[in-house]
Parts: sequence; C-alpha cells; structure tokens
Amino acid sequence: RKEVEQDPGPFNVPEGATVAFNCTYSNSASQSFFWYRQDCRKEPKLLMSVYSSGNEDGRFTAQLNRASQYISLLIRDSKLSDSATYLCVVNSPGGSQGNLIFGKGTKLSVKP
Amino acid sequence: EAQVTQNPRYLITVTGKKLTVTCSQNMNHEYMSWYRQDPGLGLRQIYYSMNVEVTDKGDVPEGYKVSRKEKRNFPLILESPSPNQTSLYFCASKPGHPRLAGGFGELFFGEGSRLTVL
Repeated sequence: RKEVEQDPGPFNVPEGATVAFNCTYSNSASQSFFWYRQDCRKEPKLLMSVYSSGNEDGRFTAQLNRASQYISLLIRDSKLSDSATYLCVVNSPGGSQGNLIFGKGTKLSVKP
Repeated sequence: EAQVTQNPRYLITVTGKKLTVTCSQNMNHEYMSWYRQDPGLGLRQIYYSMNVEVTDKGDVPEGYKVSRKEKRNFPLILESPSPNQTSLYFCASKPGHPRLAGGFGELFFGEGSRLTVL
C-alpha cells in the first residue's frame, strides 16, 4: 500500500459547486496532516493544516479520521480560481522525524 | 522577504556534464529538502537535511548528491546527468524540530528549476 494515496481526478465541476477530495495514509503513527495547493507549473503552497477536530478556513473544510486513516478536503461554492492540483501531505514518523510525504495530487478544474 | 531561492530556474544540458542547482533560504530554517516532480509520479523526495552537516536519502537519491555546510544553503549536485533526470526540481525548507515526531511547520518551496538533459 502506498504511503499517501489520492484520487488523481481530474474533477471537473461548475462554478458554485461543492467538491470533496479524500486522501488515505498508511502509517497510523503519522501525526501531522496538511493540504497543499499547486497551480500549473508553480511551486506547491500550504492551503491548510488538518487538525484532529476538523477545521475550516472560509470555503475550505478539512477533516481527519484517524481510525480509518483518511483526510478530506471540502471546497464549497467553487471559484474559477480554485482550479489547481491539491496535494495531501502527511508526516513520516519514526526514523525520518519531521519528514513529509506527498500524495500525487488531485486535479480540480472549475468551469464557468 | 522570506523566500527560498533556486538557481538556475531553467537549464538545458548534455549527458555527463556535471551541474549544481543551488538553493538558499533566508528564514533560518533547520530542515531543507529536494524534490523532483514528474507527470503521473507526483513529488518525490531526493534528499533532505534536518540541520547543518546532517543529510539523508529520500525516495529517489540515485544520481544525486547534496551538502549542507551552512544552514541557509542546500545545493543539489548531479555529477553525471542522464536524460532520466530531466525533471522539474523543487527545493523546500521549514522550521525543524528534530526531536519531535510530527514535522511541524509549513514547508516553503522555491519556484522550481526545470532541467532538461539531452
């Protein structure tokens, strides 16, 4: 099983739609979880951290389910500017303390 | 301005010609890392460094070398580049907490270096 898995998409949605991405991770000892956003040919940038109780930042909601080892990102009222690739990121515990593992990303395309 | 700076941003070279991609950060971060990104494969870690003089292999270290003599710099060296090293390379840094499991801190990326090896 790969360490961090995401549906590659693409997700093609109309403006205003609600879209959800899921991500699963393999190491139950992981403790830090993040969603990064990457625009085409640009560097990844942190979108939001994911906390155990779930957290919200405007139209974005992140949730963590430790029992099932998955993380989700919900985007409400999609905007054209949300079009990007969303990367699920999990820390690698144990020997590589502080190291982060990236999923391959889920591509989102928001259409007018 | 807090940033991670990579150079060169674009490079076309030939097989076997040694090259170095520099990476410098001005945020006093302990942790630095190199990734390559290829279509369908996502970001793959090449090498990382938890602090000065401490480096470790990532998932795809073959054909690469790194050094961390100073906190701010983490150059990536391709001693004898080959066409399969054609890729988009990213350097990144973040505050490191080596004694804590968890990898706290936002990872800051450079703008990327697009390398083509002919």
